[in-house]
Amino acid sequence: AQSVTQLGSHVSVSEGALVLLRCNYSSSVPPYLFWYVQYPNQGLQLLLKYTSAATLVKGINGFEAEFKKSETSFHLTKPSAHMSDAAEYFCAVSDPRGSQGNLIFGKGTKLSVKP
Amino acid sequence: EAGVTQFPSHSVIEKGQTVTLRCDPISGHDNLYWYRRVMGKEIKFLLHFVKESKQDESGMPNNRFLAERTGGTYSTLKVQPAELEDSGVYFCASSQELRDSPLHFGNGTRLTVT
Repeated sequence: AQSVTQLGSHVSVSEGALVLLRCNYSSSVPPYLFWYVQYPNQGLQLLLKYTSAATLVKGINGFEAEFKKSETSFHLTKPSAHMSDAAEYFCAVSDPRGSQGNLIFGKGTKLSVKP
Repeated sequence: EAGVTQFPSHSVIEKGQTVTLRCDPISGHDNLYWYRRVMGKEIKFLLHFVKESKQDESGMPNNRFLAERTGGTYSTLKVQPAELEDSGVYFCASSQELRDSPLHFGNGTRLTVT
């Protein structure tokens, strides 16, 4: 069985500061991993995904995530936060043997950015 | 291209009533998924259509939920009769046939059962 744990339901950073959103996973097979973002009143948008190629994955809007098998982690980072990054972020995992659309999500982390 | 469209955006119904949610996927997307987020909980997979066929309905909570995708275009999710615990946001997503195609999500339908 697969599962995802996102540490911290709320994270607050100052504009220009480092953004670090934590995600740990559990999977019996090498997983596919995803980060999605949800802006207010919108649907989820894919930020980036790991599918067993490079362990450092670059996504949209300056975000990146590193797959660390030894730590079973896939933390999301951005060097400098913008006000427009305020949103809810979801880490998700899927089984490569199945459909990529059958995702298991974490509970989400709301990111606030202070001016 | 038009995105995934969900209707209605909000629905408030009383316990015991019936509600039907609709999802229009991106044109040409064979894969269609339904997800649900109950307040304070994770977003959970409900089911997956490939064209008009149910590929995986392992996440459907119980037989009060009925999903259809007649003709392989839009999909409906009916809840009958609705219970209080059905409240939440129901998301629809679609993707192309290719295995690594990304999911495109709709804005969701917020269902409140009182």
